[in-house]
Amino acid sequence: GQSLEQPSEVTAVEGAIVQINCTYQTSGFYGLSWYQQHDGGAPTFLSYNGLDGLEETGRFSSFLSRSDSYGYLLLQELQMKDSASYFCAVLGYSTLTFGKGTMLLVSP
Amino acid sequence: DGGITQSPKYLFRKEGQNVTLSCEQNLNHDAMYWYRQDPGQGLRLIYYSQIVNDFQKGDIAEGYSVSREKKESFPLTVTSAQKNPTAFYLCASSTQAGVSSEQYFGPGTRLTVT
Repeated sequence: GQSLEQPSEVTAVEGAIVQINCTYQTSGFYGLSWYQQHDGGAPTFLSYNGLDGLEETGRFSSFLSRSDSYGYLLLQELQMKDSASYFCAVLGYSTLTFGKGTMLLVSP
Repeated sequence: DGGITQSPKYLFRKEGQNVTLSCEQNLNHDAMYWYRQDPGQGLRLIYYSQIVNDFQKGDIAEGYSVSREKKESFPLTVTSAQKNPTAFYLCASSTQAGVSSEQYFGPGTRLTVT
C-alpha cells in the first residue's frame, strides 16, 4: 500500500517563502504530484515530478528525491490567495494516492 | 467551456436511502474517478474507470456502485450499505486511459445523510 506524511498546517506572511514537505512509503512509485484546494473547492493540479530534481512553474517549484522517498513544494513570494490546502499524491501502478493535506495560512 | 460538472452541490438524504451523484465531463477524457473527502482528510479513491463499460474498485469501494455507459458520464450511487455516507464527493477525469498524475476535478457534491 501507500502512506504519505505531510505537516497538517504551515503559517507564513505575505512575500515570504514556504516549503511543504512530503515523505512517502509505497509499494509502487512512478512519481509525485501536488494539488491545491481552496476551502470547499475543487483540487487543482500544480505539478508532477517523475524524475529526481526540481521542477519550476512560476512562483511554485516542486522537488523529488526517490532515494529518500521525499519531496517538497516550494511557494515563493507568497500572496494571500495562496492560503489553501496543499496535497501531495503518489502515482502508483494503478492509482493516485493522496496525503492528508497541509493547510497553508498566509497572513498580511 | 470544457469542464466537469457535478450536481447538485448539496444533497440531503435520509438514512437507508440510496442516492446517485452525477458527474459529467465534456473534456473528451478517457479516465474518470470518484473520491471521497472527509474533514481534515485527504482524498480517498472510491472507483475509477479507464474506458467506457469498464471500472475498477478503489481503496474504499464498499457501499458504493458506479456505471460507465457513456464516455462523458460516470455516476456514483451511495447505497444504504455505506456506513458513513456523509462526506464531500469529488469526481475527476484525466486524458490518459491509464491512471494519470494530472487529474481535473469537478466542484464536488456535499452529501449529508441523517
